[in-house]
Amino acid sequence: RKEVEQDPGPFNVPEGATVAFNCTYSNSASQSFFWYRQDCRKEPKLLMSVYSSGNEDGRFTAQLNRASQYISLLIRDSKLSDSATYLCVVTAPDTGFQKLVFGTGTRLLVSP
Amino acid sequence: ETGVTQTPRHLVMGMTNKKSLKCEQHLGHNAMYWYKQSAKKPLELMFVYSLEERVENNSVPSRFSPECPNSSHLFLHLHTLQPEDSALYLCASSQDGIGLAGYTFGSGTRLTVV
Repeated sequence: RKEVEQDPGPFNVPEGATVAFNCTYSNSASQSFFWYRQDCRKEPKLLMSVYSSGNEDGRFTAQLNRASQYISLLIRDSKLSDSATYLCVVTAPDTGFQKLVFGTGTRLLVSP
Repeated sequence: ETGVTQTPRHLVMGMTNKKSLKCEQHLGHNAMYWYKQSAKKPLELMFVYSLEERVENNSVPSRFSPECPNSSHLFLHLHTLQPEDSALYLCASSQDGIGLAGYTFGSGTRLTVV
């Protein structure tokens, strides 16, 4: 089983739509969770951290369910500029430190 | 200059060549990382340096050799690479060696081995 699993997509949505991405992780010892955004042929950039109580940043809402080892990202009122690949990232314990483990990403295409 | 900068942006090398990738961070971070990103695969952690000491060598072949002369600079020395090593190589840094606040990535070096 992959450490972090995501639906690769692509998700094709019109502008203004609401879209949700899901992610599951296998390591119950994971402590921190993030969503990164990666544009085509660019580096990943931190979009938001994900907290147990859920958190919102403008049009973006992230949720964490530790019992189910499940993370979600909701994007409301999609913009053309939201088109990108969204990477689910969790920490996992390794020898003496916590490493970041990345999913393969979910591709979003927002059309006019 | 701010952030994490990587050079070169693109590199084409033959299998017998020796080249180096350079990464520099201007954020005052204490940890630096090398990741490999191949098509349709998740980012793979290669090396981790925390306070200039290597803390992770993720079973990477010896044809990849990292060097961290100080907390702001990280190199990846390449020699006798294989075509399957062609990928995007990303450098990242974080405030601590745990990365709990997330990473800042450089723009990457797109490597093609011919």
